[in-house]
Amino acid sequence: SQTIHQWPATLVQPVGSPLSLECTVEGTSNPNLYWYRQAAGRGLQLLFYSVGIGQISSEVPQNLSASRPQDRQFILSSKKLLLSDSGFYLCAWSEPWSDRGNQPQHFGDGTRLSIL
Amino acid sequence: EDKVVQSPLSLVVHEGDTVTLNCSYEVTNFRSLLWYKQEKKAPTFLFMLTSSGIEKKSGRLSSILDKKELFSILNITATQTGDSAIYLCAVGRLKGGYFGNEKLTFGTGTRLTIIP
Repeated sequence: SQTIHQWPATLVQPVGSPLSLECTVEGTSNPNLYWYRQAAGRGLQLLFYSVGIGQISSEVPQNLSASRPQDRQFILSSKKLLLSDSGFYLCAWSEPWSDRGNQPQHFGDGTRLSIL
Repeated sequence: EDKVVQSPLSLVVHEGDTVTLNCSYEVTNFRSLLWYKQEKKAPTFLFMLTSSGIEKKSGRLSSILDKKELFSILNITATQTGDSAIYLCAVGRLKGGYFGNEKLTFGTGTRLTIIP
């Protein structure tokens, strides 16, 4: 069966420091991968998605970037964190789109990021 | 801009009660509507609905979609304390081409609390 791992679970970082959050998926190949941010009282906001190695689409302009160096690895990064980057970050995967139709997204346990 | 509105924002009921959660949407090129349950960390997938009028059922949970009126409901019968969670509704749209339905727009969720 497929599993998704995200780490760390919590992170406290000072303003201006770099960031690297990692997400890996097991038990599937060529998944679609996603990074979301969930702010208190707001829905999940899609930040990035990827349909393959090195293919990244950004949904909103921001201080963050994403990379997919391997098929089942998705990394969220920042060179200099801002206070506004605080939030709950979720990684998700889905089967690639095919003529079988849509496939649901499945989420990791998330990283709670606090910027001081 | 795609929009997903959930109601009520929060709901407190006694164990054994039946609840109905609502999700209305406005989205271009609608493809599917998904329900997730989020307890403490990862949202877990409940249902995906693509056709009007066909009820999906899993134990005490059921959901139905009305594509004409652009809404869905999630019913939970004989509620238990373990049903306490935030219930998220998301709508996927068809982007076209190879990418299919990668993008989900989430509502802010309904926080359901079950009192023993």
